[in-house]
Amino acid sequence: DAGVIQSPRHEVTEMGQEVTLRCKPISGHNSLFWYRQTMMRGLELLIYFNNNVPIDDSGMPEDRFSAKMPNASFSTLKIQPSEPRDSAVYFCASRADHSSGKQNEQFFGPGTRLTVL
Amino acid sequence: QQQVKQSPQSLIVQKGGISIINCAYENTAFDYFPWYQQFPGKGPALLIAIRPDVSEKKEGRFTISFNKSAKQFSLHIMDSQPGDSATYFCAASWRGYQKVTFGIGTKLQVIP
Repeated sequence: DAGVIQSPRHEVTEMGQEVTLRCKPISGHNSLFWYRQTMMRGLELLIYFNNNVPIDDSGMPEDRFSAKMPNASFSTLKIQPSEPRDSAVYFCASRADHSSGKQNEQFFGPGTRLTVL
Repeated sequence: QQQVKQSPQSLIVQKGGISIINCAYENTAFDYFPWYQQFPGKGPALLIAIRPDVSEKKEGRFTISFNKSAKQFSLHIMDSQPGDSATYFCAASWRGYQKVTFGIGTKLQVIP
């Protein structure tokens, strides 16, 4: 398996523009997580899905952020409009059911480094 | 509210020395405590994990020590090597709940 795939790996945009980050989870995993990583705040959970349904979006900072999971193999995180303080590395992670034997092990993608000028 | 407190935020250790990273948690419902390792430009990856029914778990040079009464756990890296230089995150979660709470991270540098 190729692991969790994220695109793009790097994104530079100007303030006010729309940004869409993409994630393909590991096949067979039924939970998907979006994280944001910054030096000041570490790894913050933004939202997670189980079986394509959003379960907890309490970490989404503002209405400018939205996430979708239209099917089991694809998810997007959208920021509209983007602001310089959104600059961070955004990670997607996926996890299999408890029946996998390793409770709560999340497999992270390589991340998308977002810079908003 | 930061439910998992991690220290130090940065650590420099000489090759062959012992690296120690400490974490404390607040939620007594937590029953699973993983450590993740992150190399520059990569996503975090699970390194080792422990449940509160044991006080210690060892995998190679990596050991987790767990103190349930103090609500603390720590990662010890024996015979630290330059290849261990990475950021380490402690984390906590509880059975049946998929959300994992991460510590702030510790940037470890092992110098030759």
